[in-house]
Amino acid sequence: QSALTQPASVSGSPGQSITISCTGTSSDVGGYNYVSWYQQHPGKAPKLMVYDVSMRPSGVSNRFSGSKSGNTASLTISGLQAEDEADYYCSSYRSSSTLVFGGGTKLTVL
Amino acid sequence: QVQLVESGGGVVQPGRSLRLSCAASGFTFSSYGMHWVRQAPGKGLEWVALISYDGSYKYYGDSVKGRFTISRDNSKNTLHLQMNSLRADDTAVYYCAKDPGSGSPYINWFDPWGQGTLVTVSS
Repeated sequence: QSALTQPASVSGSPGQSITISCTGTSSDVGGYNYVSWYQQHPGKAPKLMVYDVSMRPSGVSNRFSGSKSGNTASLTISGLQAEDEADYYCSSYRSSSTLVFGGGTKLTVL
Repeated sequence: QVQLVESGGGVVQPGRSLRLSCAASGFTFSSYGMHWVRQAPGKGLEWVALISYDGSYKYYGDSVKGRFTISRDNSKNTLHLQMNSLRADDTAVYYCAKDPGSGSPYINWFDPWGQGTLVTVSS
């Protein structure tokens, strides 16, 4: 059982938008603006896509955006492309100097 | 460019020890905190440990506290993870990852990650 709750899977057609949710508590997601999102293709290392809730690292497409409301953070991918098909993980700082991940969401591009 | 290369993984019996290494290049290693993150086969990610830029403070996830020790050698641009009393549920790919700063206790994000090294704990 993961500390943060994500849907196991989401899907969308090319060009559509999808949103992945990440639900925690006031001790993690709701209490700090330290939510990040990672993309992981099979057999590869995770790649940072969003940090500090809504910031994008250099080189990450602006089709990826993050937000937060209360104890739930969200990653939205617009204009879905075939190469977006991957697993996505959220993470958050949790009080007492630890970090927790979500269980991961498998994105399928139909 | 920043490069992180893990090594030291392999098959080890329960109760035994193993030491992982991560060779860093492409940035001023001694200025950044570093992390270990693991992923059991077919499972999600789990943060393991953080070490500050100078090694003065270290934090661990609950599942490894007291068994694993993170360390670094800034003269050799190398990060280590000493894993003792290994258990079957420690079986995972272990990634090293760079902290965005000096290694604040407010653990935030990791970028980039190495390619990982597989540790299998089995008799």
